[in-house]
Amino acid sequence: GAGVSQSPRYKVAKRGQDVALRCDPISGHVSLFWYQQALGQGPEFLTYFQNEAQLDKSGLPSDRFFAERPEGSVSTLKIQRTQQEDSAVYLCASSAGAHQPQHFGDGTRLSIL
Amino acid sequence: ELKVEQNPLFLSMQEGKNYTIYCNYSTTSDRLYWYRQDPGKSLESLFVLLSNGAVKQEGRLMASLDTKARLSTLHITAAVHDLSATYFCAVNYGGATNKLIFGTGTLLAVQP
Repeated sequence: GAGVSQSPRYKVAKRGQDVALRCDPISGHVSLFWYQQALGQGPEFLTYFQNEAQLDKSGLPSDRFFAERPEGSVSTLKIQRTQQEDSAVYLCASSAGAHQPQHFGDGTRLSIL
Repeated sequence: ELKVEQNPLFLSMQEGKNYTIYCNYSTTSDRLYWYRQDPGKSLESLFVLLSNGAVKQEGRLMASLDTKARLSTLHITAAVHDLSATYFCAVNYGGATNKLIFGTGTLLAVQP
């Protein structure tokens, strides 16, 4: 499809497990963002890539969160040793370049039991 | 630190009525976005406002921007049930990142 694709749509994990969330941006988009959206809240910035370079990771809540985009296309957000407070929707967005509109995927709803 | 506040947080209105959602932000930014989110869905871009006095309209929705007051409004005219959703404003943080800072959202429920 032409939009941002995220997988899985839903993920349930036990506390302490590691999870990996995938984002396929729109083809050709150099900028990629990850946001976390808690229930009833607005999305909050986690990290930003320009091509394969991670230029801003100031929003990552702890060192358990790690993101990569090795070839400048697909990105993976990994959360290690998950905790209940990690339960949220994780949104990926891509844009054609700096200051271009961001296009969001449908998100991955993560539930930690 | 850039902060974005929306009000009201919840808005219940009858079909056919008009209302306005307000978005205040704390520091200078060069662009403001309005998004719509339906339950369980992602964010749909509605408007991008780039300059002081900018006004954009699409159907029953009209957005405006006052950069001096750091205020944007989303005006709903003659609401219909299909407009029921959560509406977010977001401000561009600027710099090299271009990350968005979102408001808390306004849950709009249009009653028949």
